[in-house]
Amino acid sequence: AQSVSQHNHHVILSEAASLELGCNYSYGGTVNLFWYVQYPGQHLQLLLKYFSGDPLVKGIKGFEAEFIKSKFSFNLRKPSVQWSDTAEYFCAVRLGSNYQLIWGAGTKLIIKP
Amino acid sequence: GAGVSQTPSNKVTEKGKYVELRCDPISGHTALYWYRQSLGQGPEFLIYFQGTGAADDSGLPNDRFFAVRPEGSVSTLKIQRTERGDSAVYLCASSLGTGLNYEQYFGPGTRLTVT
Repeated sequence: AQSVSQHNHHVILSEAASLELGCNYSYGGTVNLFWYVQYPGQHLQLLLKYFSGDPLVKGIKGFEAEFIKSKFSFNLRKPSVQWSDTAEYFCAVRLGSNYQLIWGAGTKLIIKP
Repeated sequence: GAGVSQTPSNKVTEKGKYVELRCDPISGHTALYWYRQSLGQGPEFLIYFQGTGAADDSGLPNDRFFAVRPEGSVSTLKIQRTERGDSAVYLCASSLGTGLNYEQYFGPGTRLTVT
């Protein structure tokens, strides 16, 4: 069955550190890729998405992600995190023309001020 | 504008009871999705509506779960004979269109606890 793996369940960083959250999926066909964020007490919101074209996509709040097809990966990055980035981050994949999103288990990111 | 709203925000029920969870999508959004999120996991797809019809209900775990969207706007997720394993946060999302390029906007969820 298709799956999405997020390698780290919890990440703790200091402010200004660089961030990379891993996401791998298992599916050999066409995919759409997403990163969602859930801030404490808030609902899920889209950070960025990849459908086609440039594999390096930029999202809101200085986040970016790179789609590496050969590695089935879509890692999320931010060069310098802020305390306000404390949240849970979810990677999600849509397979082919299917409308379903398949989700990773999420990574809880804590930024120490 | 108003986002996706879900009611109630919390629901505690006894095992075996029937519950209804409501979702109000963003006005004008034709597509509506239900997901379930168990503790420590990502959301899990349940069902997708395009207009009034369920276009994909392959994620519903069993026949105790049913969802409707009679007028193509508000949707209700219905769970019969609830079990403790049904405890989770139930998320609703809507999108403007049916194309794959449309973003899904999520509501705050309903936390269901079955005792």
